[in-house]
Amino acid sequence: DVKVTQSSRYLVKRTGEKVFLECVQDMDHENMFWYRQDPGLGLRLIYFSYDVKMKEKGDIPEGYSVSREKKERFSLILESASTNQTSMYLCASRVEEKLFFGSGTQLSVL
Amino acid sequence: AQTVTQSQPEMSVQEAETVTLSCTYDTSESDYYLFWYKQPPSRQMILVIRQEAYKQQNATENRFSVNFQKAAKSFSLKISDSQLGDAAMYFCASIETNSKLTFGKGITLSVRP
Repeated sequence: DVKVTQSSRYLVKRTGEKVFLECVQDMDHENMFWYRQDPGLGLRLIYFSYDVKMKEKGDIPEGYSVSREKKERFSLILESASTNQTSMYLCASRVEEKLFFGSGTQLSVL
Repeated sequence: AQTVTQSQPEMSVQEAETVTLSCTYDTSESDYYLFWYKQPPSRQMILVIRQEAYKQQNATENRFSVNFQKAAKSFSLKISDSQLGDAAMYFCASIETNSKLTFGKGITLSVRP
C-alpha cells in the first residue's frame, strides 16, 4: 500500500514562529501537493512539486514556501506564522490519475 | 484553469434512501479525470469513484454511481440505499493530464436513522 505520512496530526505554534510541516511518501512519486482545508472553502492548493527541487505556486502561495530536496519528502514552510494560517493542511502525492493523501495536520497559530 | 463548483453546502438523507450530490466543472482540456472523495471525521480522504472523461459510460462502484454529462460539464454522485456510515463531507474534484487536482468546496452529507 502506498503511504503518505504527515509528521504531525496536531500542531500549536505562536505568531511569528517558523513552522515546518513535513510530508513523506514511500512510492517514488514525482508529483506532490500541499493543500489547505478551511470550512466553506474546500481544499485550496498552496504549492505543488513535480520533481526534486522543482516547485510551482498553487492558488494561495502567499505566506508559504516549500522545499523538495529528496523525492520522497515535500516540506511546507511558514516563514512567520500568523493567526490566519490556522487551518488543516493536507499533503498528497500523485502517479498518473491516482492520488494518495496524508491524514492531515491541524495547525493552530496563537 | 480548471474550476469545480459544488453549490450545496449541506444535504440530508434518510437511511436506506437515495441521494444525489451535484457538481459542475469547467476545463479547456479534452483529456481529464473527475473524482468524488469522501472525508469522514478521521480526515482521511477516501476515493469514492473516478470517471475518465473519454469514457461515455458512467462509472459505478457498488451503491455509488455518477451521472456524467460531458457537454453540460456536470458530474453528480448518486448514493443508493444510504447508510449511516455514508455521513461525511464529499468533495468533487478534477485533474487534467500532468496537472494539479482541483477540488470543489465540499458538501456535508448527514444520514438520518
